[in-house]
Amino acid sequence: SSELTQDTAVSVALGQTVTITCQGDSLKTYYASWYQQTPGQAPLLVIYGKNSRPSGIPGRFSGSSSGNTASLTITGALSEDEADYYCSSRDTNSDRYVFGTGTKVTVL
Amino acid sequence: EVHLVESGGGLVQPGGSLTVSCEASGFSFSNYAMHWVRRAPGKGLVWVSRIENDGSSTSYADSVRGRFTISRDNAKNTLYLQMDSLGGEDTAVYYCTRDEWEVIQSDYIYYMDVWGKGTSVIVSS
Repeated sequence: SSELTQDTAVSVALGQTVTITCQGDSLKTYYASWYQQTPGQAPLLVIYGKNSRPSGIPGRFSGSSSGNTASLTITGALSEDEADYYCSSRDTNSDRYVFGTGTKVTVL
Repeated sequence: EVHLVESGGGLVQPGGSLTVSCEASGFSFSNYAMHWVRRAPGKGLVWVSRIENDGSSTSYADSVRGRFTISRDNAKNTLYLQMDSLGGEDTAVYYCTRDEWEVIQSDYIYYMDVWGKGTSVIVSS
């Protein structure tokens, strides 16, 4: 089955920009979706498709992709953006799915 | 308002069985495929299983295939995950989530747009 690899942790200064990446073969076929999870809470969809945001997700979250790499960018990070972020995609040639290894974002 | 509410978690002995449930409301449950996703303590999210909207097709992660069974009762708006031969590696919070997809300019886009708050399963003697 496919694997999606993310950096373990990144930090960003308050108000600055941070980009999280996700790499995997399935991303050559399918767009990634991105999920935010804070302690004790359910995951929250923040980006899907080429660069779509669900209703209620702030515009400082954006997504992009190229080849086998998907990226999530937070422009003007706020303290409330401190969380774990996971990419996910459908597995190539199957109806199974995979999540990335997760990135812990710290806002300094 | 769209809601998913999991239940049925608890403490179970190694080798035991447990069934967790997810009750859906606020949308036409029978129109959507559904997933189970889990997160073990100190670990990341892991996809567990998926079932088509009518139950006609199911898929599983390698780590649970042959031990877990996903099912649904569309008349009751409820999703299930029967877990057998449980081991410590199955200790996790189990989330149900709704499958959504779109086709945009021939690109198929898949994502999980609604999540429950999860139910905790602890496998321990």
